[in-house]
Amino acid sequence: GQNIDQPTEMTATEGAIVQINCTYQTSGFNGLFWYQQHAGEAPTFLSYNVLDGLEEKGRFSSFLSRSKGYSYLLLKELQMKDSASYLCAVMDSNYQLIWGAGTKLIIKP
Amino acid sequence: GAVVSQHPSWVICKSGTSVKIECRSLDFQATTMFWYRQFPKQSLMLMATSNEGSKATYEQGVEKDKFLINHASLTLSTLTVTSAHPEDSSFYICSARGLAGAMDLSETQYFGPGTRLLVL
Repeated sequence: GQNIDQPTEMTATEGAIVQINCTYQTSGFNGLFWYQQHAGEAPTFLSYNVLDGLEEKGRFSSFLSRSKGYSYLLLKELQMKDSASYLCAVMDSNYQLIWGAGTKLIIKP
Repeated sequence: GAVVSQHPSWVICKSGTSVKIECRSLDFQATTMFWYRQFPKQSLMLMATSNEGSKATYEQGVEKDKFLINHASLTLSTLTVTSAHPEDSSFYICSARGLAGAMDLSETQYFGPGTRLLVL
């Protein structure tokens, strides 16, 4: 079966760095996405990785290792507004998105 | 770029009525649109996938006669919840994926802001 695993909840301090991990087992791979979802709102696109390595976008970076079925989202200089759920999703061989359950990130002052 | 709108953002209706939700891609052509449902504090749940001009593909457990999907153009898809009941109250979110060949858009799903449905 297809499976995406990510921690349910994480807590971090304002100004710090946090890494949210995602492991996956899917039938085929056509890329991995990270989305941010604030409570009561729809998800917003953060990043897309299809090749191994690190993609940096400002305070957010995403890493992919296809051989390990592993990705992480790195958030630097955390701000209170970063409190949200972070969704990992993998596109399988049929170009269907398989969603993780999301990681709720709580930022404390 | 890659803006998706949904209308309405809020719906309150009586049990037994039908509700139509529109999803539009504003600045790109969406070959594929997706409809999701999300209950409070739960994951996104894919309801159906629709390609322009063809019938939608529904996920297991989703009643196609209850959730009617029309994807008549490359910029518009509609979801109609027929004979809505209180258990249909949820957050309905659409997403759109663009034409292949546009590197930034071809694989990424861009989400609309969602529609909150409350059935009394």
